[in-house]
Amino acid sequence: QKEVEQNSGPLSVPEGAIASLNCTYSDRGSQSFFWYRQYSGKSPELIMSIYSNGDKEDGRFTAQLNKASQYVSLLIRDSQPSDSATYLCASIRGSSNTGKLIFGQGTTLQVKP
Amino acid sequence: NAGVTQTPKFQVLKTGQSMTLQCAQDMNHNSMYWYRQDPGMGLRLIYYSASEGTTDKGEVPNGYNVSRLNKREFSLRLESAAPSQTSVYFCASSEDRVEETQYFGPGTRLLVL
Repeated sequence: QKEVEQNSGPLSVPEGAIASLNCTYSDRGSQSFFWYRQYSGKSPELIMSIYSNGDKEDGRFTAQLNKASQYVSLLIRDSQPSDSATYLCASIRGSSNTGKLIFGQGTTLQVKP
Repeated sequence: NAGVTQTPKFQVLKTGQSMTLQCAQDMNHNSMYWYRQDPGMGLRLIYYSASEGTTDKGEVPNGYNVSRLNKREFSLRLESAAPSQTSVYFCASSEDRVEETQYFGPGTRLLVL
């Protein structure tokens, strides 16, 4: 089992819909989780981080963390064609001072006009 | 303020050749990282440097060496390239700890024949 697992997709949603991206992790000790967005041919950029159980909202983006079930999700409301990208989930293995970011394989999102 | 820069952008090598990938950041960050990205595999950490003068292995260090030349620069060397090292290589930096935002360079596409 991969340490951080995502469905590679593609996930296709119509413009204006809610896109739901999911991620599961195997290390119960993981405390910190991140969502990076990567446009085709470009480098990843951080869009959300979440450390506590529950929801965290930032504009059209909501990150959700459920440590009991070991999953993290990213909701994108009012999806736009410009949201079409690969979304990478990541968690920290080890402590924040010496740990490493472990990435999932990414989910490709396609938002159709 | 250029952020994280990488050279070269693209390189073709023959099996057995050596090369060094260069990375520099102008954000005064302490921590720097080298990742590789392969289709369906997400980003995998090769080596990282938590501060000037220190380096540590990541998930996939075999076949690579690194040098943290100074606070700004972190280079990745392939001593004897193999086709399995064909990949896109990203350098990243963060202010201090791994949980802080990592800023990625534009990437180097390497093809080993």
